[in-house]
Amino acid sequence: QKEVEQDPGPLSVPEGAIVSLNCTYSNSAFQYFMWYRQYSRKGPELLMYTYSSGNKEDGRFTAQVDKSSKYISLFIRDSQPSDSATYLCAMSIYNFNKFYFGSGTKLNVKP
Amino acid sequence: EAGVAQSPRYKIIEKRQSVAFWCNPISGHATLYWYQQILGQGPKLLIQFQNNGVVDDSQLPKDRFSAERLKGVDSTLKIQPAKLEDSAVYLCASSFPTGRQETQYFGPGTRLLVL
Repeated sequence: QKEVEQDPGPLSVPEGAIVSLNCTYSNSAFQYFMWYRQYSRKGPELLMYTYSSGNKEDGRFTAQVDKSSKYISLFIRDSQPSDSATYLCAMSIYNFNKFYFGSGTKLNVKP
Repeated sequence: EAGVAQSPRYKIIEKRQSVAFWCNPISGHATLYWYQQILGQGPKLLIQFQNNGVVDDSQLPKDRFSAERLKGVDSTLKIQPAKLEDSAVYLCASSFPTGRQETQYFGPGTRLLVL
């Protein structure tokens, strides 16, 4: 079983839609959760990170963590064509710098 | 602030040849990572340096891959000899502490094709 599971998609939505991206994990020791965005032929860039269960909002993006279910989500409101990219979840054990990445979900927002 | 620099951006070699990648991290970042990202997959950690010491190289195929970080700044990753399955994007990242955890910043990657 992989440490982190993520649906590869692709996910295709119309502009303005609300997008939900999800990851599940198996290691209950994970305490630090991140979402990266990766455009084609670019390196991943950090979107958001959070330590705790609950929601964290940043503009059109909301990260949600449910530690009891070992499930994290990224919501994108009012999606734009510029949001078209691969979204990677990543997580690590508290105070350790080894990150475990999901396989990424490819998102396409159609104008 | 300059980002993580990597070169070359693209490399095509034949199997059994050798290849080297270079990474220059963000100034002041003590931790440096090399990842392998195969098409359609997430990054897989190959090696992690703290300054010029190796913290984790458990997933580095040491029979063919080697890496060094001299003087705790730039790093090189070498593959010798290359195999077809080494075709991937090689990402370098560096990090610094953000609160209780380190935040990783990635370079653009080197895309390797082994024929």
